[in-house]
Amino acid sequence: KAGVTQTPRYLIKTRGQQVTLSCSPISGHRSVSWYQQTPGQGLQFLFEYFSETQRNKGNFPGRFSGRQFSNSRSEMNVSTLELGDSALYLCASSVSPGLQGWEQFFGPGTRLTVL
Amino acid sequence: AQTVTQSQPEMSVQEAETVTLSCTYDTSESDYYLFWYKQPPSRQMILVIRQEAYKQQNATENRFSVNFQKAAKSFSLKISDSQLGDAAMYFCAYRRATSYDKVIFGPGTSLSVIP
Repeated sequence: KAGVTQTPRYLIKTRGQQVTLSCSPISGHRSVSWYQQTPGQGLQFLFEYFSETQRNKGNFPGRFSGRQFSNSRSEMNVSTLELGDSALYLCASSVSPGLQGWEQFFGPGTRLTVL
Repeated sequence: AQTVTQSQPEMSVQEAETVTLSCTYDTSESDYYLFWYKQPPSRQMILVIRQEAYKQQNATENRFSVNFQKAAKSFSLKISDSQLGDAAMYFCAYRRATSYDKVIFGPGTSLSVIP
């Protein structure tokens, strides 16, 4: 069974640009969560999607948005990039909220560098 | 608000020895899950072990075991017979046992294994 995949793996953008990151969950998984990982702030929750609906959102500005498609694939978008958005963005999938002990399976991440 | 604290930013252990990583958390909930995740260098984060708060028995997974002290809100991870492959960042995490709630991660402990 293929794991969680994220594309692209590496991305370099300049301030003010926008970026879209993609996540394909494990087959059969319907819940996708996004996290931002930085050395200073650690792992911070961005949002969670289930059945194409955002179910929960972390404390990030409106420049961060996401969506989920009917095949459970998810994208996140960051508009008007700032230097502080440089981070590893992790996607995690799970079968469904509450099932299998809430275990999440993480992708390899997308390393975003904002210049 | 729930918080997760890992007071040891870095730890080291000799190969084949035992090491314990500490984690404390703060919550007013009675039903929740606790996790230890492992993030090896440049590799995907994986779940090491999971504990359900309503279960008094400590979880074990092969060489990994936890000491769950619910009243003290403590959740430590013991790694026995440490191996070189155990070198990684270890994150303690918490989530309420309710749908669509975010996972809260601790700041992580970097574990080095000395041959």
